[in-house]
Amino acid sequence: NAGVMQNPRHLVRRRGQEARLRCSPMKGHSHVYWYRQLPEEGLKFMVYLQKENIIDESGMPKERFSAEFPKEGPSILRIQQVVRGDSAAYFCASSHIPAGEKVGANVLTFGAGSRLTVL
Amino acid sequence: KNQVEQSPQSLIILEGKNCTLQCNYTVSPFSNLRWYKQDTGRGPVSLTIMTFSENTKSNGRYTATLDADTKQSSLHITASQLSDSASYICVVSSTFQTNAGKSTFGDGTTLTVKP
Repeated sequence: NAGVMQNPRHLVRRRGQEARLRCSPMKGHSHVYWYRQLPEEGLKFMVYLQKENIIDESGMPKERFSAEFPKEGPSILRIQQVVRGDSAAYFCASSHIPAGEKVGANVLTFGAGSRLTVL
Repeated sequence: KNQVEQSPQSLIILEGKNCTLQCNYTVSPFSNLRWYKQDTGRGPVSLTIMTFSENTKSNGRYTATLDADTKQSSLHITASQLSDSASYICVVSSTFQTNAGKSTFGDGTTLTVKP
């Protein structure tokens, strides 16, 4: 079990370009979460997805940011027209919530993160 | 408003010494509390998860305590090693939340273990 796989690990973009970050959840996990971590700050929730559905995107900026988790393939966090303030580490986590189990009791497994630098 | 406060913000100790990290929360109704270890440049890794009825849980040299009455938790590290240098994050979940990812995260305590 390879765990949660994120790529690229490091990405450099110039202002105005697009950034695409990919996340493959743990085998058997159908819930994916994206977080942003600015330097010297804690993890901030962005979006929660299940296969082909966005469940909660309350933490994601309304403009330039989008996320998807298609039926086949990894989840993708897309940032259009990047600005310097987008420079951060973006973490993906996944979970499996067995039927009948309380959602809040679920433990997230995190990937190693993708570090975006905007020049 | 649900909040998680961790202290100290940073801590430096000598190798072999013990230390205790604190986590105070206002999340209600409480479901569980988790401690994560985040090495520099890596993702967080779960150390312990504690529910309402649990007071103490150990994972090797890490021991977490929970006082649900005072809404406090601590993470005690025994006989610290250089590899313990990391950020330790306290995460608290509410029974009302329908999104496991939207638990309340503390900002972490950065621990540095020096030889």
